[in-house]
Amino acid sequence: GENVEQHPSTLSVQEGDSAVIKCTYSDSASNYFPWYKQELGKRPQLIIDIRSNVGEKKDQRIAVTLNKTAKHFSLHITETQPEDSAVYFCAASEGVRGGSYIPTFGRGTSLIVHP
Amino acid sequence: DAGVIQSPRHEVTEMGQEVTLRCKPISGHNSLFWYRQTMMRGLELLIYFNNNVPIDDSGMPEDRFSAKMPNASFSTLKIQPSEPRDSAVYFCASKAGTGAYEQYFGPGTRLTVT
Repeated sequence: GENVEQHPSTLSVQEGDSAVIKCTYSDSASNYFPWYKQELGKRPQLIIDIRSNVGEKKDQRIAVTLNKTAKHFSLHITETQPEDSAVYFCAASEGVRGGSYIPTFGRGTSLIVHP
Repeated sequence: DAGVIQSPRHEVTEMGQEVTLRCKPISGHNSLFWYRQTMMRGLELLIYFNNNVPIDDSGMPEDRFSAKMPNASFSTLKIQPSEPRDSAVYFCASKAGTGAYEQYFGPGTRLTVT
């Protein structure tokens, strides 16, 4: 099955700095890569995703890049704000199993943005 | 839309007791997932259903865990008997249609087994 490694486990930045979180995956058949944000005590929520037919996707201050050859993908947050503080999870899906895309999640990165 | 609904939000029980967690998916969604989240193991998929049918339960830790989905709007995850190592946050998530990508998570149930 798929194995997703995520680094770093904790990331501390100053407000206004950029933050980068990196993930690697093992199954070359994976073709869908979502990122979820989980604020303290809340549910995970999708913030951005990318499919294997593109190398980069951007949505305002967040962007995701994908390198299928190297089997790694990254989340980039620019101009960080205190409200970006949360745990971020990457995930990789190796395709449809039984009618659904089933993601394998990384262990999460705790991002702390200091004012 | 109220989103995915889970109950209870918090559950404290003694070891050996039966625990039942409940989930109502978003109306119209036909895929439902149960996850367990702990500091040690992160977010683990326990089981998922498609059109009320269990498709993959390979993540269910042992026979003490069971899940059902009697209809499209309700699912349960049962632990019997519960053990302290079952303490975790349990999330239910749902997704729309075959080939849909995004999962919508419920607020979770924080289970503490003493």
